[in-house]
Amino acid sequence: DTVLTQSPGTLSLSPGERATLSCRASQSVNANYFGWYQQKPGQAPRLLIYSTSYRATGIPDRFSGSGSGADFTLTISRLEPEDFAMYYCQQYGDLRVTFGQGTRVEIK
Amino acid sequence: EVQLLQSGGGLTQPGGSLRLSCGASGFIFNIYTMAWVRQAPGKGPEWVSTIYSDYRTSYADSVRGRFTISRDNSKYSLSLQMDSLRAEDTAVYYCAQRVEGTFRSWGQGTLVTVSS
Repeated sequence: DTVLTQSPGTLSLSPGERATLSCRASQSVNANYFGWYQQKPGQAPRLLIYSTSYRATGIPDRFSGSGSGADFTLTISRLEPEDFAMYYCQQYGDLRVTFGQGTRVEIK
Repeated sequence: EVQLLQSGGGLTQPGGSLRLSCGASGFIFNIYTMAWVRQAPGKGPEWVSTIYSDYRTSYADSVRGRFTISRDNSKYSLSLQMDSLRAEDTAVYYCAQRVEGTFRSWGQGTLVTVSS
């Protein structure tokens, strides 16, 4: 299985700051099958980004995704209070799905 | 609006069985790939199983041979039969609509607890 490693584990930032989250795969992944999710306590994950760089319906444009091969990035340009949450990357390949272990974005 | 409404789950002993169901609405169910994803307490999401529109299935190694995914297109329904349950299967289970490689919509989740 393709292992996804997210860094950092925790990101401590203030509202208005820029957040950069990384996801590195153990092998090259299909960029069309790569995405990012946001999860808040007690809620299901919410799709933010699909196909590496496309925002899901209703996702504000302060969220952007980029990357290729085995290195992918989620950027939040200016953190809003509602953006402090857990973030997971995810890929699909060879009929299997894997998730990263998550990055917590917390208020500094 | 896409809605996925889950039912089932609960508490069972090791070796027991449970069945999860997921009712879909707001989209043409039979043309979409559907999946189950679980999340153990304090952990990240873990893919469990997928069923394609042509009824092909795939499973995570951790559940293959014990769990069975199925769909009833006439009822817009997805199911997960879980047998020979283990303590490590304890998690919140989500049904999800998969579009290409990512999960566009999710159910509300249902807790499965395996404990003696």
